[in-house]
Amino acid sequence: GAGVSQSPRYKVAKRGQDVALRCDPISGHVSLFWYQQALGQGPEFLTYFQNEAQLDKSGLPSDRFFAERPEGSVSTLKIQRTQQEDSAVYLCATGIGYSGNTIYFGEGSWLTVV
Amino acid sequence: AQRVTQPEKLLSVFKGAPVELKCNYSYSGSPELFWYVQYSRQRLQLLLRHISRESIKGFTADLNKGETSFHLKKPFAQEEDSAMYYCALSSGSGNTGKLIFGQGTTLQVKP
Repeated sequence: GAGVSQSPRYKVAKRGQDVALRCDPISGHVSLFWYQQALGQGPEFLTYFQNEAQLDKSGLPSDRFFAERPEGSVSTLKIQRTQQEDSAVYLCATGIGYSGNTIYFGEGSWLTVV
Repeated sequence: AQRVTQPEKLLSVFKGAPVELKCNYSYSGSPELFWYVQYSRQRLQLLLRHISRESIKGFTADLNKGETSFHLKKPFAQEEDSAMYYCALSSGSGNTGKLIFGQGTTLQVKP
């Protein structure tokens, strides 16, 4: 596809359930970022990959959040034992270079924890 | 602490009126600043970045280090400019994908 693709687009999880959110980057994009956007707020950085290496995970809010990109392409953000405060849009963004380049956002995965 | 502040949640103007979306930042260093836009039912996309010093869709933004501001301006608003606008700061030592966003301002351009 032409853009960053995220799935599922919408997810309702019961509190305590584990969820996995997928990001398919633009082909050839080296950099991949995950952001969390709560209702009425701007996106907040979670983590950054350069190929398969997770170089920055300073924004992950707790050890319930885990991200991987094993082959340097598709990435998965996993949230264990979801809580209501995890309800947000999770945005993936990718960039062609290592730094200094424009990043392109996906449409996001809307997570609601009930 | 590094922070981006957009003081207005909503800005409503009439078509043809000038627009200024305010953005202030706090950052210890040489900042790189961006404006991102999200049109209805579309994904977040880059509008402009201060180092490019370009005008996109008639919008311009000048970095004012003395006032720590990066306000977005357009002399004559169009209805198609209605969208959510986010100001963002790059905090990642040259990694411009690691961004700190403001809360966003909804621009509503009335006919």
